[in-house]
Amino acid sequence: DAGVIQSPRHEVTEMGQEVTLRCKPISGHDYLFWYRQTMMRGLELLIYFNNNVPIDDSGMPEDRFSAKMPNASFSTLKIQPSEPRDSAVYFCASSSPYTDTQYFGPGTRLTVL
Amino acid sequence: AQSVTQLGSHVSVSEGALVLLRCNYSSSVPPYLFWYVQYPNQGLQLLLKYTSAATLVKGINGFEAEFKKSETSFHLTKPSAHMSDAAEYFCAVSVGFAGGTSYGKLTFGQGTILTVHP
Repeated sequence: DAGVIQSPRHEVTEMGQEVTLRCKPISGHDYLFWYRQTMMRGLELLIYFNNNVPIDDSGMPEDRFSAKMPNASFSTLKIQPSEPRDSAVYFCASSSPYTDTQYFGPGTRLTVL
Repeated sequence: AQSVTQLGSHVSVSEGALVLLRCNYSSSVPPYLFWYVQYPNQGLQLLLKYTSAATLVKGINGFEAEFKKSETSFHLTKPSAHMSDAAEYFCAVSVGFAGGTSYGKLTFGQGTILTVHP
């Protein structure tokens, strides 16, 4: 299995631009999670999906952030417009009830100038 | 609601010495507990997990952890540290099926950076 795949691995953009992060979960996993990691706040859960349906988006910081899961093998996290304080590493993870374990992707390091 | 406290944001040991990373949890339902490791510029990798079976859990790379309900603890240990163990370690708690709609949601501690000296 290829594991959780995220793209891009690094993104540098300017304030005000739209940013789209992508994630492909492990095949057969029906839970997908988006996290943000910063030095100040550690690992924060932003949103998670079950069977492509958002279950809890209480961690999404504001309306500039949106996430979608159009099918079982793809999810996006979009920031529009981006701000320097959005600079962080964004992780995607997937799991299934049969494993009780979340498997993490390598992350996308976002820098907003 | 669940929470995790990792005692000590930095731990430093000599190569060959015992590694002890502390984790205490709070949970309103029987918890599932996890230790993840993160190497620089990489994602999180599962070390071990407790899901209500044996209280002493063995993981990869020689690590183990013991679930102690009376102390609400899940400390991570390794008898002999290796230079390659230098990384950041995260303790996390989630609920199983008893959690209802909260099932699958992980709450992480703040992390402990382990430094290993030659």
